[in-house]
Amino acid sequence: GQNIDQPTEMTATEGAIVQINCTYQTSGFNGLFWYQQHAGEAPTFLSYNVLDGLEEKGRFSSFLSRSKGYSYLLLKELQMKDSASYLCAVMDSNYQLIWGAGTKLIIKP
Amino acid sequence: EAGVAQSPRYKIIEKRQSVAFWCNPISGHATLYWYQQILGQGPKLLIQFQNNGVVDDSQLPKDRFSAERLKGVDSTLKIQPAKLEDSAVYLCASTYGGSASGANVLTFGAGSRLTVL
Repeated sequence: GQNIDQPTEMTATEGAIVQINCTYQTSGFNGLFWYQQHAGEAPTFLSYNVLDGLEEKGRFSSFLSRSKGYSYLLLKELQMKDSASYLCAVMDSNYQLIWGAGTKLIIKP
Repeated sequence: EAGVAQSPRYKIIEKRQSVAFWCNPISGHATLYWYQQILGQGPKLLIQFQNNGVVDDSQLPKDRFSAERLKGVDSTLKIQPAKLEDSAVYLCASTYGGSASGANVLTFGAGSRLTVL
């Protein structure tokens, strides 16, 4: 079967750096997405990786290793507003998105 | 540009009653998705439309759920009769082209939160 694994919850301190990991086992690979979802709100797009390596976008970076079935989202200079759930999703060989359960990130002052 | 519009935002019904949710995607977006998100879980695809045709409805519980997109623009998702386990947020999303990518990002609406008592 197809599977996406993410830690359920993480805690970090304001101003620090946090890395949220995502491992996947899917039938084929056509890209990996990270979305941010604040409580009670819609998921919003953060990043997309289809080739190995690091994609940087301001305070957020996302890394992909296709051979290891692994990605991470790196958040720098954490702010209180970064408290949210972070969803990892992989597009499989049928171009269907397989979603992880999300990682709830709690930022403490 | 205007985002994905959904209504109602909240709905509370008794089990065995029916409910309908409406979605209007971003203008010009050909592909529309309905997802079910249960608390603490990731979104689960219920149905995907390309214009007014169904691309994937393999996870739609067809004995109680139905969806249509008659004119290829807005869409309605119906549940009849509702069960307790249908309590979830129903998210509508859209993309310009057929498959999401970095250049064709999936954009979600705010969702419709259903509580079945």
